[in-house]
Amino acid sequence: KNEVEQSPQNLTAQEGEFITINCSYSVGISALHWLQQHPGGGIVSLFMLSSGKKKHGRLIATINIQEKHSSLHITASHPRDSAVYICAVSGAQKLVFGQGTRLTINP
Amino acid sequence: KAGVTQTPRYLIKTRGQQVTLSCSPISGHRSVSWYQQTPGQGLQFLFEYFSETQRNKGNFPGRFSGRQFSNSRSEMNVSTLELGDSALYLCASSPSTGPATQYFGPGTRLLVL
Repeated sequence: KNEVEQSPQNLTAQEGEFITINCSYSVGISALHWLQQHPGGGIVSLFMLSSGKKKHGRLIATINIQEKHSSLHITASHPRDSAVYICAVSGAQKLVFGQGTRLTINP
Repeated sequence: KAGVTQTPRYLIKTRGQQVTLSCSPISGHRSVSWYQQTPGQGLQFLFEYFSETQRNKGNFPGRFSGRQFSNSRSEMNVSTLELGDSALYLCASSPSTGPATQYFGPGTRLLVL
């Protein structure tokens, strides 16, 4: 079993829909990261959180330390949100990554 | 500030050769981490350098090595290349070691023939 599991692996939605991507982890962590990777490979860090909730524009990330679970929400999704979203956890001074969720938003 | 830069962006090598990849972090960032991304294994941590010292290492064979210079620029080297080393190699910098937002470079895409 992987230390970091994401669901779903693929998600297709229509523009404007509310999107939720889930991440569960099985190890002790000091922080959890949500990353976005567009075609071509570039990775952007969206959030780093160790408790509670963070919001940036239409993106919201939450974490429940007791349940070892985090969610990334996108409100009013747009085709430009189409990308791979990757959950990663910081533990033992290194990042461990989930397998990613490929999100496609159709106009 | 300029972002993280990596050179070269693309590289083709043959089995048995060695390769050196370079990463220049954001100015003022002292931590540089390297990652390998493949379709089969996804993203995996290679190693982290901070103040010219390797702080942590992932589960990769000794053919993978790295170093960091006094200006925080980092290089990674892969010797005796294998077909399975074909991957996107990403470096990321952060101001300090430990949990911190990682700023990723564009990556070097290595193809081993």
